[in-house]
Amino acid sequence: EVQLVESGEGLVQPGSSMKLSCVASGFTFSNYGMNWIRQAPKKGLEWIALIYYDSSSKYYADSVKGRFTISRDNSKNTLYLEMNSLRSEDTAMYYCAKLGLGADFDYWGQGVMVTVSS
Amino acid sequence: DVVLTQTPSTLSATIGQSVSISCRSSQSLLDSAGNTYLYWYLQRPGQSPQLLIYLVSNLGSGVPNRFSGSGSGTDFTLKISGVEAEDLGVYYCMQATHAPLTFGSGTKLEIK
Repeated sequence: EVQLVESGEGLVQPGSSMKLSCVASGFTFSNYGMNWIRQAPKKGLEWIALIYYDSSSKYYADSVKGRFTISRDNSKNTLYLEMNSLRSEDTAMYYCAKLGLGADFDYWGQGVMVTVSS
Repeated sequence: DVVLTQTPSTLSATIGQSVSISCRSSQSLLDSAGNTYLYWYLQRPGQSPQLLIYLVSNLGSGVPNRFSGSGSGTDFTLKISGVEAEDLGVYYCMQATHAPLTFGSGTKLEIK
């Protein structure tokens, strides 16, 4: 059974940093691209970052480019999102999602809440 | 960025009723290789989104066949043939043909 379990939830002040993790199981993690998608409270979904299976390429939404960094450790089956210079508008539920063979998000984690507030 | 416009924003249905949700794109989602990267997701209350349909019309793993997707170019439709109570939630279309990947604003399905 595929499982994606995020961690790193918390409340931080504007301008600070935070790192999220997503531990994968139930599939060969090193064979698949992975993504981070977020959802602000009562809002829709926003894709924010993609990393290829071998970390050879990384892509970001303009809203986080230069502030967020996606990375992975295939030996630990773990995906990361390092978030710097956090803003109030980064407050959201953050989901990791596996990239499927149809370029879809075929499995999602349960999400972690990041709140940026003074 | 590609804008996906979903209609209606809210839909109320009785059990067994068939309903459709429209997703219109600001640009054609057909790429130069002939692929159309259009997807549908359902987010049930308090849950993560789940994949329903990939590449316009292909059913995701474990998804009941009362769900179907169709369309081409800029106009796409998700149809539920016989709504069941478990279908309530917010439906999102998503495109991955053009960077950045974008989602529609969602259609909330309520059960009468």
